[in-house]
Amino acid sequence: NAGVMQNPRHLVRRRGQEARLRCSPMKGHSHVYWYRQLPEEGLKFMVYLQKENIIDESGMPKERFSAEFPKEGPSILRIQQVVRGDSAAYFCASSGDRNTEAFFGQGTRLTVV
Amino acid sequence: GEDVEQSLFLSVREGDSSVINCTYTDSSSTYLYWYKQEPGAGLQLLTYIFSNMDMKQDQRLTVLLNKKDKHLSLRIADTQTGDSAIYFCAEVPLSGTYKYIFGTGTRLKVLA
Repeated sequence: NAGVMQNPRHLVRRRGQEARLRCSPMKGHSHVYWYRQLPEEGLKFMVYLQKENIIDESGMPKERFSAEFPKEGPSILRIQQVVRGDSAAYFCASSGDRNTEAFFGQGTRLTVV
Repeated sequence: GEDVEQSLFLSVREGDSSVINCTYTDSSSTYLYWYKQEPGAGLQLLTYIFSNMDMKQDQRLTVLLNKKDKHLSLRIADTQTGDSAIYFCAEVPLSGTYKYIFGTGTRLKVLA
């Protein structure tokens, strides 16, 4: 049973480009969470999605960031017009329901140059 | 506020015990977790404790919880060089059981 899979592991984008980060939850999990880890900091909650629905996006920046979890396929975190301050590690986690333990992926390290 | 606090650095000699401390904020937190992050890697769940427990032991790891002071600690016995990593505590508040609140991480360096 594969764990939470994120790709790519490393992503380099120039300022102004778009970044797409993918997350495939563990088999049987329909709840997905995205966290961001800025350099030298802990992880901060961004968004919680359940299949086709955004449940809580209180931690997501209001502009340029969006997330989706379609009926088929992985969850996508999309960052438009990236800036240097978006450079961070983005972690995805999944769980079977909102009250059970979440399992984390290996993260995608985004570098904006 | 929602700040979970940890000291930034800890250095110990191989074979000694390490104690990593964490102060959390929400007295209603249901679970408290300890994660390990090696350089460039993801998060590895080490252990967790329910809020109605005072202590949990798992091989070389001992977790102590002081609910009155909202203080959590992780003790690693017989610390090895492979234990060098960043250790994060995380609380799960009752108000949002999916919204883990992480500390800033403690960077443990084990000296041979």
